[in-house]
Amino acid sequence: GNSVTQMEGPVTLSEEAFLTINCTYTATGYPSLFWYVQYPGEGLQLLLKATKADDKGSNKGFEATYRKETTSFHLEKGSVQVSDSAVYFCALSVHNAGGTSYGKLTFGQGTILTVHP
Amino acid sequence: SAVISQKPSRDICQRGTSLTIQCQVDSQVTMMFWYRQQPGQSLTLIATANQGSEATYESGFVIDKFPISRPNLTFSTLTVSNLSPEDSSIYLCSVGEGAQPQHFGDGTRLSIL
Repeated sequence: GNSVTQMEGPVTLSEEAFLTINCTYTATGYPSLFWYVQYPGEGLQLLLKATKADDKGSNKGFEATYRKETTSFHLEKGSVQVSDSAVYFCALSVHNAGGTSYGKLTFGQGTILTVHP
Repeated sequence: SAVISQKPSRDICQRGTSLTIQCQVDSQVTMMFWYRQQPGQSLTLIATANQGSEATYESGFVIDKFPISRPNLTFSTLTVSNLSPEDSSIYLCSVGEGAQPQHFGDGTRLSIL
């Protein structure tokens, strides 16, 4: 089956610190990988994605590279801000060789990030 | 990306009652999904709702407890029936087309008295 494992949280950082949130996965078929962010009291927002090996997704200063050899998709940001405080979810969906998604998202357990001024 | 509206945004319900959650999308989509997020937990897929067919439920979720309607390509409802405290969660709908990433509504925060 498919599964996603995220690093244990919560993570607490000072503003401008470097962030890494680890994510590893197991999947059958061809996975696409995603990071979603959930700000307090809100729904999920797509942060970035990668659809094939060695792709790098990036958005708002966050980056993640799809590493097939290590089955990983670690999230990084060089300098976090207080406004980045949120819960971050790594997720995957599987598609067939033709690129058609089976639709279901499998989520990691989420990592709470708190950034202090 | 699609704009997804969920109603209600939150509700407090009595045990034994039911709540119906609506999900409206501003464009036609083939696949709609319903997820549950229990307090402090990750998201778990309840079911996939495709227009014109019965919803497909994940293991551990049954139609009697979570009936779903999908009358057209822009709208779906999820009903949570016979509410108990264990149903206190955030319920989210999402949409996705083909290999495109899914986009989520803001969720419905449900509390049971």
